[in-house]
Amino acid sequence: GQNIDQPTEMTATEGAIVQINCTYQTSGFNGLFWYQQHAGEAPTFLSYNVLDGLEEKGRFSSFLSRSKGYSYLLLKELQMKDSASYLCAVTDSNYQLIWGAGTKLIIKP
Amino acid sequence: DGGITQSPKYLFRKEGQNVTLSCEQNLNHDAMYWYRQDPGQGLRLIYYSQIVNDFQKGDIAEGYSVSREKKESFPLTVTSAQKNPTAFYLCASSIPSLVTGELFFGEGSRLTVL
Repeated sequence: GQNIDQPTEMTATEGAIVQINCTYQTSGFNGLFWYQQHAGEAPTFLSYNVLDGLEEKGRFSSFLSRSKGYSYLLLKELQMKDSASYLCAVTDSNYQLIWGAGTKLIIKP
Repeated sequence: DGGITQSPKYLFRKEGQNVTLSCEQNLNHDAMYWYRQDPGQGLRLIYYSQIVNDFQKGDIAEGYSVSREKKESFPLTVTSAQKNPTAFYLCASSIPSLVTGELFFGEGSRLTVL
């Protein structure tokens, strides 16, 4: 079966750096997405990786290793507003999106 | 501003009733989707449509129905056949290919069965 694993919850301190991991086992691979979702709100797009390596976008970076079925989202200079759930999703060989359950990130002052 | 509008934001239903959730987009996207989100689970696809007058079942279509009569609109009906309908429902749209396209989501509709 297809599976995406992320930690359920993480805690970090304001101003620090946090890395959220995502491992996947899917039938084929056509890209990996990261979305941010604040409680009770809709997910918003953060990043897309289809080739191995690091994609940097401001305070957020996303890394992909296709051979390892692994990605991480790196958040730097954490702010209180970064408290949210972070969803990892993979597009499989049929271009269907498979979603992880999300990682709830709690930022403490 | 372009975007996706879902309504209502909160909805209460008695058992045995059908309810319809509205989803309208002005992004000129061909593809639209309905997802269900439950606590501790990933988003699950209910139905999707790549073009007007055509739609496909997702992973959990039983107990739901949709229509796509207009490009801008993709309403979802939760029927009485859906055994556990209490959930957060998200509508999304995209350009047809997900290879490089991102999903744009509405604000969601929270349905509670009394």
